[in-house]
Amino acid sequence: QQQVKQSPQSLIVQKGGIPIINCAYENTAFDYFPWYQQFPGKGPALLIAIRPDVSEKKEGRFTISFNKSAKQFSLHIMDSQPGDSATYFCAASRGASGTYKYIFGTGTRLKVLA
Amino acid sequence: DVKVTQSSRYLVKRTGEKVFLECVQDMDHENMFWYRQDPGLGLRLIYFSYDVKMKEKGDIPEGYSVSREKKERFSLILESASTNQTSMYLCAVRHSGNTIYFGEGSWLTVV
Repeated sequence: QQQVKQSPQSLIVQKGGIPIINCAYENTAFDYFPWYQQFPGKGPALLIAIRPDVSEKKEGRFTISFNKSAKQFSLHIMDSQPGDSATYFCAASRGASGTYKYIFGTGTRLKVLA
Repeated sequence: DVKVTQSSRYLVKRTGEKVFLECVQDMDHENMFWYRQDPGLGLRLIYFSYDVKMKEKGDIPEGYSVSREKKERFSLILESASTNQTSMYLCAVRHSGNTIYFGEGSWLTVV
């Protein structure tokens, strides 16, 4: 129940393509769903996040789609660029618990070809 | 911006050594976390702290302990390092709401 399942494990797209990374969760008590971007040798950095009361959120070229009934959420990267090549992690947390523990997916390594 | 500093970026230790990983934050944040990152396993929570001297076990606490004597500093301790603890260790801090911010990571190799 505490798992967040992320797919695919790796992804290669051409520049300008729209990579999509999917995550699924079991625990309906989760109330915050962030995505993190990590470049080699660096710590993960917050990219975008969503709460379950909305179905979509956009920030620049990054969009989260959220399907509460299916317990799934996904990251779309519009007009992808070689600079977007990184590892992406989805996560879920339950702020109401007071501990703010995050459960992370296993990560997706994205490569955008020039 | 939230600043999370992990002073030791790359360490090589011998099996059985005691290892300290330090994490320092620059503001008065209460929640601090230690994660371990391994290929194919994502980030797994080792321990977290929600105030000075307060700590709770995460999902993989075995072989680790933590110390938080001051609010700005959260230390991860490997009492007797083993080769299966070779990994990247990430410290994180909760800023506002649910958002957590990570340090740059500490790469530990145990030989």
